[in-house]
Amino acid sequence: EAGVAQSPRYKIIEKRQSVAFWCNPISGHATLYWYQQILGQGPKLLIQFQNNGVVDDSQLPKDRFSAERLKGVDSTLKIQPAKLEDSAVYLCASSLGRVGQETQYFGPGTRLLVL
Amino acid sequence: AQRVTQPEKLLSVFKGAPVELKCNYSYSGSPELFWYVQYSRQRLQLLLRHISRESIKGFTADLNKGETSFHLKKPFAQEEDSAMYYCALRLSGTYKYIFGTGTRLKVLA
Repeated sequence: EAGVAQSPRYKIIEKRQSVAFWCNPISGHATLYWYQQILGQGPKLLIQFQNNGVVDDSQLPKDRFSAERLKGVDSTLKIQPAKLEDSAVYLCASSLGRVGQETQYFGPGTRLLVL
Repeated sequence: AQRVTQPEKLLSVFKGAPVELKCNYSYSGSPELFWYVQYSRQRLQLLLRHISRESIKGFTADLNKGETSFHLKKPFAQEEDSAMYYCALRLSGTYKYIFGTGTRLKVLA
């Protein structure tokens, strides 16, 4: 079974530029998560999708971050414009999203450096 | 507010020694607790969950609601246990997880 795929793996941009990350979840997984992990901290949930609908985006800085999950499969996370404090690893995870089958499977992450 | 606290950033033990990684949580609802592990150059992955009451790779964790703790234990550490360990809380009725800041375990030969 293929795991969660993310691209790019690394990205370096200057502040005020825009950047986009892509995630392909495990086939059949209804729930998709985007996490931000700043160095020295644990993952922080940014947004959670159930199929193509947003379940929770309470911690997403909506003035600069946006995310979509078209057709309930792949997802993109965008930052526009980026700030220095956005430097972090962005993790995508997916799960079946059914009771008793909530295990999250994580992708390798995208490491973003904002200069 | 919901919170997961892992007080130790780094824990070093010798091979064969017992290990205990501490995790405390703050949550007014019915908690579901997990331990995730990230080995060097690998993805974050689930190690165990409290509702399964299972032992994975020799690790166990018991949910203590009175002390609001979910400490991870192993009686005899092995070098391959060296990794980053995260405790996570799932909010009841949701698929939302709150992660702790993690503890790096180093098992010395």
